[in-house]
Amino acid sequence: DAGVIQSPRHEVTEMGQEVTLRCKPISGHNSLFWYRQTMMRGLELLIYFNNNVPIDDSGMPEDRFSAKMPNASFSTLKIQPSEPRDSAVYFCASSFGSNYGYTFGSGTRLTVV
Amino acid sequence: GENVEQHPSTLSVQEGDSAVIKCTYSDSASNYFPWYKQELGKRPQLIIDIRSNVGEKKDQRIAVTLNKTAKHFSLHITETQPEDSAVYFCAASEGGTASKLTFGTGTRLQVTL
Repeated sequence: DAGVIQSPRHEVTEMGQEVTLRCKPISGHNSLFWYRQTMMRGLELLIYFNNNVPIDDSGMPEDRFSAKMPNASFSTLKIQPSEPRDSAVYFCASSFGSNYGYTFGSGTRLTVV
Repeated sequence: GENVEQHPSTLSVQEGDSAVIKCTYSDSASNYFPWYKQELGKRPQLIIDIRSNVGEKKDQRIAVTLNKTAKHFSLHITETQPEDSAVYFCAASEGGTASKLTFGTGTRLQVTL
């Protein structure tokens, strides 16, 4: 298995533009998580899905952020419109369910200028 | 919800010495406690985990201890090597059917020659 696959690895965009981050979880994992990592705030959980259903989106900063998981093998995190304060590394992770460790993807480094 | 505190935020040890990182959690229902290592510019990777039915677990130079009564758990690294230099995160699960992990704020470990 190739692990959790995220794309793109790096994204530089101008303020106001739409940004879409993509994630393919490990086959067979039924939980998927989106995290944001910054120096100031560490690892923040944005949203997570169990069996493709959003369970907790309380970490999503505001309405500019949205996430979908249309099937078991794909998820997107969208920011529209993007702002400089959204600059961070966004990690996707998947797990086999309750009480199992996560496997993280390589992350997307987002820079909004 | 769960709250995880981690100390110290930075730790410097000489090669060959031991390093200890401590975490406390708030939710007595938590029953799964993984530790992640994140090297600079890379993804967090699971290095060891412990479940609430055991008090200690070892894997070569790494060990984790859990005190459920006091609600704290610790990572112990013996005979530290330069390649142990990284940021270490503890985490705790909320238990039950939830699969969300709450992470500590991280400890930056520096192993000097």
